[in-house]
Amino acid sequence: QQQVKQSPQSLIVQKGGISIINCAYENTAFDYFPWYQQFPGKGPALLIAIRPDVSEKKEGRFTISFNKSAKQFSLHIMDSQPGDSATYFCAADIYNQGGKLIFGQGTELSVKP
Amino acid sequence: NAGVTQTPKFQVLKTGQSMTLQCAQDMNHNSMYWYRQDPGMGLRLIYYSASEGTTDKGEVPNGYNVSRLNKREFSLRLESAAPSQTSVYFCAGQGALGYGYTFGSGTRLTVV
Repeated sequence: QQQVKQSPQSLIVQKGGISIINCAYENTAFDYFPWYQQFPGKGPALLIAIRPDVSEKKEGRFTISFNKSAKQFSLHIMDSQPGDSATYFCAADIYNQGGKLIFGQGTELSVKP
Repeated sequence: NAGVTQTPKFQVLKTGQSMTLQCAQDMNHNSMYWYRQDPGMGLRLIYYSASEGTTDKGEVPNGYNVSRLNKREFSLRLESAAPSQTSVYFCAGQGALGYGYTFGSGTRLTVV
């Protein structure tokens, strides 16, 4: 059972454009939603995370938008750069419950110069 | 450098062989995890350890065993490798609950 569904599977964006990756979850008990960034040959690294008490969180060029009623959240990368080219994973967890992060399928982002 | 260290980085096994993937962390993490990453599947949890001396099954535990040797080390064992276990394996640690995971750089395993 895929509890976190991520789309698109791959994304090509021009330099300076906006990259948008979407995720939907099923378990209403989830209350912690991180995004991870993974470069080739490396492990995933935490990029940004949100809890459902806010609808948006911004860190630099990266923004998470969260819609609790729709059980969806998305990552927006503003002014995308070639250095942002990586695989992005959304995830969900139950905060403070001895985490067992459930990951989405991943999105391979390519930013063209 | 502080972090999560996995060994080996690459391994080729023949079907039926056994091996142990090693993971060690020096970040004083209480919780440790083993994930496998396959194309189009994301990362799937194999086993986790919430604290020293405890382990629990994740989403895909069949064919694997784990040992939380001490707070620093969490190993993953394949007793009889199968081609379906060809994957990239990641170990991760988590300090306090609610904080992000720190992942190792992975072990790329091929079973022929």
